Amino acid sequence: EVVLTQSPDTLSLSPGERATLSCRAAQSVGSNLAWYQQRPGQTPRLLIYGASSRATGVPDRFSGGGSGTDFTLTISRVEPEDFAVYYCQEYGSMFGQGTRLEIK
Amino acid sequence: QLQLQESGPGLVKPSETLSLTCTVSGGSISRSTYYWGWIRQPPGKGPEWIVSMYHSGDIHYNPSLESRVTESIDTSKNQFSLKLTSVTAADTATYYCVTIVAGTRVDYWGQGVLVTVSS
Repeated sequence: EVVLTQSPDTLSLSPGERATLSCRAAQSVGSNLAWYQQRPGQTPRLLIYGASSRATGVPDRFSGGGSGTDFTLTISRVEPEDFAVYYCQEYGSMFGQGTRLEIK
Repeated sequence: QLQLQESGPGLVKPSETLSLTCTVSGGSISRSTYYWGWIRQPPGKGPEWIVSMYHSGDIHYNPSLESRVTESIDTSKNQFSLKLTSVTAADTATYYCVTIVAGTRVDYWGQGVLVTVSS
């Protein structure tokens, strides 16, 4: 099992600002990393796979980067519907503890 | 478009076995390239992967749960099932059935079923 640590725990931003979320793996996972968004009361939704590929229907303001042990999810301009919890996951395995993106 | 629907008891007593079934519609388990799996999410916490299985029988477990988990697939009913033995309050969670692309990303999620472990 590879432990994934996300930072920050909570990110407070205003709509229109840029969001940068981090996920660090305790050992290299190559590019085998996905990001998910979970809005309140909803199921998680796949955003990014292969560290940087957007899933079908995901707006291009979302982008993923990194490889090995350090990964980022960037939202270029945060929209009101983006305020949610974001999780990274090593493929077929453990999830990070999540980053809550909240309205400032 | 695949759809997944979990079913099973919402309340299980401590030390008993949790049993859930996922019914798949919009596609065939036996003709799919997906792995079929289960993920749970305790209240207020992040998701935890439990197990994933291919229709041929290849199966992968979360090491921390492996000793208590059984997953099975019934291709004739287009269903797959989860059994978790010797449950405690720590197993209280929303349980999701999911599709997994060849051991990689989770593509589809069921709506989830909340299972509470309590006497």
